Amino acid sequence: AQSVAQPEDQVNVAEGNPLTVKCTYSVSGNPYLFWYVQYPNRGLQFLLKYITGDNLVKGSYGFEAEFNKSQTSFHLKKPSALVSDSALYFCAVRGGSQGNLIFGKGTKLSVKP
Amino acid sequence: DSGVTQTPKHLITATGQRVTLRCSPRSGDLSVYWYQQSLDQGLQFLIQYYNGEERAKGNILERFSAQQFPDLHSELNLSSLELGDSALYFCASSVVETPRSPLHFGNGTRLTVT
Repeated sequence: AQSVAQPEDQVNVAEGNPLTVKCTYSVSGNPYLFWYVQYPNRGLQFLLKYITGDNLVKGSYGFEAEFNKSQTSFHLKKPSALVSDSALYFCAVRGGSQGNLIFGKGTKLSVKP
Repeated sequence: DSGVTQTPKHLITATGQRVTLRCSPRSGDLSVYWYQQSLDQGLQFLIQYYNGEERAKGNILERFSAQQFPDLHSELNLSSLELGDSALYFCASSVVETPRSPLHFGNGTRLTVT
C-alpha cells in the first residue's frame, strides 16, 4: 500500500531564511510525487511534481523539491522564505500507473517577519 | 483561480438529512475526484469519475454516492448525515487519468452537521 508521511506538524521560519518541509513516501513501483499548498478557506494549489529525470524539481513561487530515491524522500525547499508563504503544505504520492493520489497530513508553515 | 467550481460554499444541516454537493470541473477536464478533509483524518480520497464512469473508490461510506453527468459536472450525495460527516469536501479535476497529471482543486464546500 502506498503512503506518505510529513513528520512535522509545523515548521517555523524567519523571513529571508531558507525553509524545508519534509516528506517521505512508500510506494510500489515508480513514484509520482506532488506538493500542494493550501491557504485558509481555499482549495489546494499545485506547486510542483516529480515524475522522472532531474532530482531537483522547480515549481511555482520560487519553491523547489529534491527527490531522493534511496531515502524515499521528497522535501520541499525555498532559499528565502516570505511571510506570504505561510500556509498548509501537503505532499502527495501516486504509485505507478495505478493508484490514487494519497496525501500526507500536511505541515503548517509559519514565516515570521 | 483553479477553474474548478464548487457549490455551495457552506452548508449547515441537521443529522439524518441528505445534501448534494456540486462540482464543475475545469474546462476540458474529463476526470473528477472527490476528497473529504477533516482535522482528525486529513485529506481522504472518496471517489473518482472519468468521462461519466466511476473509476476508483476510496474511503467512501455507503451513505455517500456520486455521479458525473454528460456535461462532466459531478454531484456528491451525502445521506443520513451524522455529526462526524462535518468536514470540508473538495472536488478536483484533471485533464486525463495519467498519474503525471496534477489535480486542480476547487475551494471546497464546508459541511456542518448539527
